[in-house]
Order: sequence, then C-alpha cells, then structure tokens
Amino acid sequence: GAGVSQSPSNKVTEKGKDVELRCDPISGHTALYWYRQSLGQGLEFLIYFQGNSAPDKSGLPSDRFSAERTGGSVSTLTIQRTQQEDSAVYLCASSLASRLQETQYFGPGTRLLVL
Amino acid sequence: GESVGLHLPTLSVQEGDNSIINCAYSNSASDYFIWYKQESGKGPQFIIDIRSNMDKRQGQRVTVLLNKTVKHLSLQIAATQPGDSAVYFCAESLDSNYQLIWGAGTKLIIKP
Repeated sequence: GAGVSQSPSNKVTEKGKDVELRCDPISGHTALYWYRQSLGQGLEFLIYFQGNSAPDKSGLPSDRFSAERTGGSVSTLTIQRTQQEDSAVYLCASSLASRLQETQYFGPGTRLLVL
Repeated sequence: GESVGLHLPTLSVQEGDNSIINCAYSNSASDYFIWYKQESGKGPQFIIDIRSNMDKRQGQRVTVLLNKTVKHLSLQIAATQPGDSAVYFCAESLDSNYQLIWGAGTKLIIKP
C-alpha cells in the first residue's frame, strides 16, 4: 500500500521567503508528526496531530513555524520569513495511534535549503 | 533536558560479520525504546522495539538488548549485509508520552 508521501522532495528558497511543505499520511492513520533533521543529526520533534485534538506544538522553534492538518489527513508545515538556519530535512510520520507508541512510518522528507 | 546520548560515530564492519551498535540513554523513567534505520535520502524505517520489562528481543537478523542498570541499549545485526549500510538511531519514550527522544545516530559502513 501507499506509504507516507511528502512534497516537494527538494526546495530551494531565498532568505525571507515563505515555504509550505506538504505531508500525505498513510490512509487511516490518525496521528501525524513533523520532525526536523539537520545534517548528520537526529530528529527534532516539531509538532504532533492526533485526530481532532488540539495539536502539540511544543517543538516548534519559533512563531515563524506553523502547521495545520485539514480533514484529519493532509498536513502542511509553513515556515514564514525563512532563515538560513531553517535549512534541514523536514520529515513527516504517521501512525495508527490506536494506542500510544504505535510505530511511526516516515515519509522521504523535504530537503529545504535557504540561501 | 533528558536525552538519548549518541554522538554520531561511524562503525565499519566486514560483510558477513556481526554488528553491534550502542546507545546510552539518560532518562531512567523511559520505558520504551526503538531502533530506526535511515538509508541515504530516505526517512527512518522502524527496525525493532523493546519495552523496559524486557531485556532482550529478537527479530529477523536483529537483536535489541536493554540494560536498565546502566541505561544502555544495543542493536545487534547478524551476518551484516551491504543493504545494512545506513545510519541507525535509537529513540526512547515514556509510555504516557507519544514523543520520542532521538539520539544522533550511528553510521554503519559495510566493507566488502
């Protein structure tokens, strides 16, 4: 079956511009996560959506970052006024979340480069 | 804050040998641990998990060992193959918390 998909796969932007990153989770998965991964580093949690509950935004690094999830499916991560330090791979994952600690399935990521 | 400590080292092993990747964690209250594999250009892929009420769990060619006394986690890969080349991450969480705390990863290189 289809896995988690993300688009675009690569994004190059100029400092100060806004970017939108998209995630299509696995069908039926109610939990959705966004992570950021800098080169050679582990994953940094950004935000978590679970069903219709209010998202956990505790990992967002600044108010330039926001995310939404429409209809409990597709999610968009928006970075406003991008900075060079925003350059990283942005990973999305989804899980069934019928219970806590369900296995997270990851998309291939969006590689963001801010010039 | 609490974190899984795994500074990105590189492990080189001969094809066919066994690989052991180690991870130290600092939160003694963590009760769930996972190993993920990340190949170049791809997202992480689940390998195996273990709960704190166990000290060993086996999968296909992989074994995870948990030593709660010294807060140490290891991943053993038997008969390492070229396809095992990747960065391996350990992660921990509390049962009541969906958030995973990730280590920095270990790069596994297979020598022919």
